[in-house]
Amino acid sequence: AQKITQTQPGMFVQEKEAVTLDCTYDTSDQSYGLFWYKQPSSGEMIFLIYQGSYDEQNATEGRYSLNFQKARKSANLVISASQLGDSAMYFCAMRERTTDSWGKLQFGAGTQVVVTP
Amino acid sequence: DAGVTQSPTHLIKTRGQQVTLRCSPISGHKSVSWYQQVLGQGPQFIFQYYEKEERGRGNFPDRFSARQFPNYSSELNVNALLLGDSALYLCASSWTGQGLADTQYFGPGTRLTVL
Repeated sequence: AQKITQTQPGMFVQEKEAVTLDCTYDTSDQSYGLFWYKQPSSGEMIFLIYQGSYDEQNATEGRYSLNFQKARKSANLVISASQLGDSAMYFCAMRERTTDSWGKLQFGAGTQVVVTP
Repeated sequence: DAGVTQSPTHLIKTRGQQVTLRCSPISGHKSVSWYQQVLGQGPQFIFQYYEKEERGRGNFPDRFSARQFPNYSSELNVNALLLGDSALYLCASSWTGQGLADTQYFGPGTRLTVL
């Protein structure tokens, strides 16, 4: 079963506007961690933001914030004031407490974001 | 500080051959994980190594193997290459390799093409 679902395969956003990327997850664990990564066309995965399941506050990192709704099992990424350099593939990932390997992140299929002038 | 480095950047092999991919983690990081990313999909976990020991293995055949060296660098080996092994192979390092919040930092990847 798919653990991470990203329903938006692609999005266009205008420069300086905000964009929300959807991510829903499936786990029976009470403890888990959620990550967002950015992958430009060069291929390198760049860490953006982390949210723990027991964190009371939504995570923020500069222009990135995570809209965490635990009951709905969603962890949407919000990018404020989009820049041309934000054009990339964005992946949501999860690590579960009952994982068989701490090194294992489970990724969604990604959302392609294109920022237009 | 240098990030995660991987070599080679690109590689072209033919079916049945063997390949070795290399990864150097961020200085101070003790855990290395390997992922396979097929075009159009998210990365899939292959292995985790921590303190030179395998700490996890994804759903990949025995043709895939890896090891970690005393300096924490790592190699991923794939034997008897198949066309379906064509992918971007990503290496990620982290401080402890343990815990929910242990963040993985990725290298630029090795793009393997099997003809």
